[in-house]
Amino acid sequence: KNEVEQSPQNLTAQEGEFITINCSYSVGISALHWLQQHPGGGIVSLFMLSSGKKKHGRLIATINIQEKHSSLHITASHPRDSAVYICAVRSRGGADGLTFGKGTHLIIQP
Amino acid sequence: GAVVSQHPSWVICKSGTSVKIECRSLDFQATTMFWYRQFPKQSLMLMATSNEGSKATYEQGVEKDKFLINHASLTLSTLTVTSAHPEDSSFYICSALQGSGNTIYFGEGSWLTVV
Repeated sequence: KNEVEQSPQNLTAQEGEFITINCSYSVGISALHWLQQHPGGGIVSLFMLSSGKKKHGRLIATINIQEKHSSLHITASHPRDSAVYICAVRSRGGADGLTFGKGTHLIIQP
Repeated sequence: GAVVSQHPSWVICKSGTSVKIECRSLDFQATTMFWYRQFPKQSLMLMATSNEGSKATYEQGVEKDKFLINHASLTLSTLTVTSAHPEDSSFYICSALQGSGNTIYFGEGSWLTVV
């Protein structure tokens, strides 16, 4: 079973700061997802990665398959970015559900 | 874009009763849907994988007779919590797999409170 570790667990930063959230996993995967969970519980899928790098607006996600590591970056952070960010992986080979990290609780202060 | 709708968003039920949660893929066919549960301040945990037209595959430790999953069509999966207990109070969320790729879309989630 894949183990997914995220760091940091909690992060408080000032508006405008560059944010990095890290994710490591233990077993080869077919895809890695970065998710955003709002206080009400709803989940938004930010990125799905199997290699390389993706960018969407102020968000950038990278993955290093050899090192089994991914990072999510937020540039010019804003209070509305405050949420829990979750890394989730799908193991190779099957139509399996996701294995989730415990999430990073991000607070951006104005 | 693709949308997965989950209903109800909030439900309160009495101990011993059953409650059904629906998960619909609105603009694509989902042969596979997943059900997850999240207790407060804990990570999401996969409960079961639901495949259209066949029995669901449950994760270890999830009681299949208590959490009934039905995936009768390519756009609808239901989770029924039977004989609900206060310990079943949790956030339940579904996701749907689009096509044969890795694109997964999430429902909005359902907060269940058993009193």
